[in-house]
Amino acid sequence: NFMLTQPHSVSESPGKTATISCTRSSGSIASNSVQWYQQRPGSAPTTVIYEDDQRPSGVPDRFSGSIDSSSNSASLTISGLKTEDEAEYYCQSYDSSNHWVFGGGTKLTVL
Amino acid sequence: QVKLQESGPGLVNSSETLSLTCTVSGGSINSYYWSWIRQSAGKGVEWIGRMSSRGTTNQNPALESRVTMSVDTSKNQFSLKLSSVTAADAAMYYCVGKGLLTGFVYWGQGILVTVSS
Repeated sequence: NFMLTQPHSVSESPGKTATISCTRSSGSIASNSVQWYQQRPGSAPTTVIYEDDQRPSGVPDRFSGSIDSSSNSASLTISGLKTEDEAEYYCQSYDSSNHWVFGGGTKLTVL
Repeated sequence: QVKLQESGPGLVNSSETLSLTCTVSGGSINSYYWSWIRQSAGKGVEWIGRMSSRGTTNQNPALESRVTMSVDTSKNQFSLKLSSVTAADAAMYYCVGKGLLTGFVYWGQGILVTVSS
């Protein structure tokens, strides 16, 4: 099976752009869709990106997702950072048996 | 808007069976794959398994021998049973639905399960 590796933490200033990476250890990142979940303290995760780059209704267009086959990674980019974006972010994909695989999570600090 | 609500005992005795139910509202249970996911400080986010409304299942190999999932389409509910629990099974448990056509993932609010020795 493969692993998804995320940076433990990312910090950026309000109004700036933050990018969180999610690197797949083996197999192609493009083989299976990638989802991104936001989890604020004390709350359940919510989906901010699904199917690599699809943004649910209600999620600001400041959030975007992408796939880079050259680095075998997915990225979540949040532009125009707001303090309310401060949260833990998890990437998730599937293996060949449709088992879910999660990254370890990235704590985004906006300060 | 699909809403998921977990229910069940928040306290389970060690070696006994944990039983949780997820009630789905605002959508048909037949339109999704249903998963259970848990989160603990020690193990991060862990996928337990998934089930379709037709009964097809996939399970985390690490938990497969202890996991039973079922769907009751008449009640719009799906359930999890985890046998022989230990302290390592203490976690927040979430039910999650993934749209068959859209791929969008809905999360329940979660239920905290504690294991008593």
